[in-house]
Amino acid sequence: DQQVKQNSPSLSVQEGRISILNCDYTNSMFDYFLWYKKYPAEGPTFLISISSIKDKNEDGRFTVFLNKSAKHLSLHIVPSQPGDSAVYFCAASASSGAGSYQLTFGKGTKLSVIP
Amino acid sequence: GAGVSQSPSNKVTEKGKDVELRCDPISGHTALYWYRQSLGQGLEFLIYFQGNSAPDKSGLPSDRFSAERTGGSVSTLTIQRTQQEDSAVYLCASSSQTGYGYTFGSGTRLTVV
Repeated sequence: DQQVKQNSPSLSVQEGRISILNCDYTNSMFDYFLWYKKYPAEGPTFLISISSIKDKNEDGRFTVFLNKSAKHLSLHIVPSQPGDSAVYFCAASASSGAGSYQLTFGKGTKLSVIP
Repeated sequence: GAGVSQSPSNKVTEKGKDVELRCDPISGHTALYWYRQSLGQGLEFLIYFQGNSAPDKSGLPSDRFSAERTGGSVSTLTIQRTQQEDSAVYLCASSSQTGYGYTFGSGTRLTVV
């Protein structure tokens, strides 16, 4: 049973346009969400996060939006650059309780930014 | 070190052999995690260490998998009698506090033939 779902395995976007990557979750205990970026042959690197007390967090070209009622979050990249081409993983954790240390990941979305 | 180091980066082994995967976390990080990513799948949690102890081993897929951590630093993941379904990228991560801001290593790509 997948608790974090990224339903789009891939996405292609023109350079300079907006990239929107989506993520849905089912576990209502999740209250902290992260996005990781992964290049081939490298480990995932932390990109941006959001706590459930917020509905938006922005860091430069990257903005994460959280809709708790819909159990949905999205990552917006504006403007998209060719160097953004990578696999993006959505992850979630429950900050309290027995599993608070564990991140649950989606399967990832491969973003290709076309020059 | 500056980052999380994993070795080997690639390992090809014959079915039935044992393998050991090593992780050197960031110095001073007390929490250490092992995940694996099978082809087309997300990252699957395996085990978590706080210091040298492993409060949660529930993610280990079978009793052929074991892990230890010594000196609050280096960790070794051992897979005995490897099977083809063990083929995956095994990722180690560390953090200074649990649940947030993991730093991942580059992973070990294990191929069982």
